[in-house]
Amino acid sequence: AQKVTQTQTSISVMEKTTVTMDCVYETQDSSYFLFWYKQTASGEIVFLIRQDSYKKENATVGHYSLNFQKPKSSIGLIITATQIEDSAVYFCAMKDYAQGLTFGLGTRVSVFP
Amino acid sequence: GPKVLQIPSHQIIDMGQMVTLNCDPVSNHLYFYWYKQILGQQMEFLVNFYNGKVMEKSKLFKDQFSVERPDGSYFTLKIQPTALEDSAVYFCASSLTGGAYEQYFGPGTRLTVL
Repeated sequence: AQKVTQTQTSISVMEKTTVTMDCVYETQDSSYFLFWYKQTASGEIVFLIRQDSYKKENATVGHYSLNFQKPKSSIGLIITATQIEDSAVYFCAMKDYAQGLTFGLGTRVSVFP
Repeated sequence: GPKVLQIPSHQIIDMGQMVTLNCDPVSNHLYFYWYKQILGQQMEFLVNFYNGKVMEKSKLFKDQFSVERPDGSYFTLKIQPTALEDSAVYFCASSLTGGAYEQYFGPGTRLTVL
């Protein structure tokens, strides 16, 4: 069975700085897919970025990037130049070719001016 | 990004009643999902649906649960009868294809069973 663990429950950062969030996962599959989503204060869940397990390059989308360390089963999310509106709960999730996502508990990020 | 809509946003019902949660997926998406989130807990996969059939379901998808999407209308989750432990936020998601493609989520329906 798959398992996703986010150990940081909350992080506070100053605006325009960089925040890094951890995520470790467990799976028996050799091929799998990793995702980060954020949930805003209104409850909206927004897809941010993904990493396919067979790709060695770290994915980057806008000011989001990933630190994929496959031997450690780790997929960290890095947000650079944070803005107030980046305040949200960030979820790490994974799946294999089965359809359902397995989620972590989430990390709450608060960005202060 | 692509938008998934859910109706209603909040539903309060008495235990034992039937409830139907409605989802309007992204228009060209083919795979549909329901997830359940109890306050303070992880979001958990319930079921996914493709081409008129349930493709995969979790242990949380009890016999009292059913899903359908008649004639391309809303993708629905029906619970009959409801139980107190069904109180949660239910999120609908859709994806263009299965496998590796990312899923897009709706805003959720908060279900309160009294």
